[in-house]
Amino acid sequence: EVKLVESGGGLVQPGGSLRLSCATSGFTFTDYYMSWVRQPPGKALEWLGFIRNKANGYTTEYSASVKGRFTISRDNSQSILYLQMNTLRAEDSATYYCARSTGKTAPFAYWGQGTLVTVSA
Amino acid sequence: NIVMTQSPKSMSMSVGERVTLSCKASENVGTYVSWYQQKPEQSPKLLIYGASNRYTGVPDRFTGSGSATDFTLTISSVQAEDLADYHCGQSYSYPLTFGAGTKLELK
Repeated sequence: EVKLVESGGGLVQPGGSLRLSCATSGFTFTDYYMSWVRQPPGKALEWLGFIRNKANGYTTEYSASVKGRFTISRDNSQSILYLQMNTLRAEDSATYYCARSTGKTAPFAYWGQGTLVTVSA
Repeated sequence: NIVMTQSPKSMSMSVGERVTLSCKASENVGTYVSWYQQKPEQSPKLLIYGASNRYTGVPDRFTGSGSATDFTLTISSVQAEDLADYHCGQSYSYPLTFGAGTKLELK
């Protein structure tokens, strides 16, 4: 059974940092692209970026809204995806989901349950 | 960025009614459109990919259609368990983008 389980969310002050994790199981982690998608309360989904699979050299792509502040990485030995978030702003408050796809044009067939990040003083 | 515009923002339906949700892309995205269903306090679930392909286990009352800039999700006979938010998303070009969603409510 494919499982994606996010953790690491919480309350952080503006300007602070947080690292989210997405522990995966049930599939060959290195075969898949892994994305982070966020959703502010009551608002739309926003794709933040992804890290490609082994066949594509584990390279990354980011949306302009987080490029330079957020970093996506993966620990392939433990099948864990990370999102390092720096210089956090109030508008980064959202539920953060990790999601799996087979490639850039492929849909997100599996999602985690999400972890809530609140940026507030 | 490609903007995905969904309409309506919300709709109230009765069980058994036929529902049509719209998603329009600001430029040609081919058939690289997916639809996701999101129930309250849950993560999104894939319904349709490639504009018209039903994902594994999705009931056949859900049908996706369209290409280029105009896409539609049709529920042939709404059931109580279909009440949710529905999101379309494009994977044609970076950044990947989603629509604002359509909320399906019970009348």
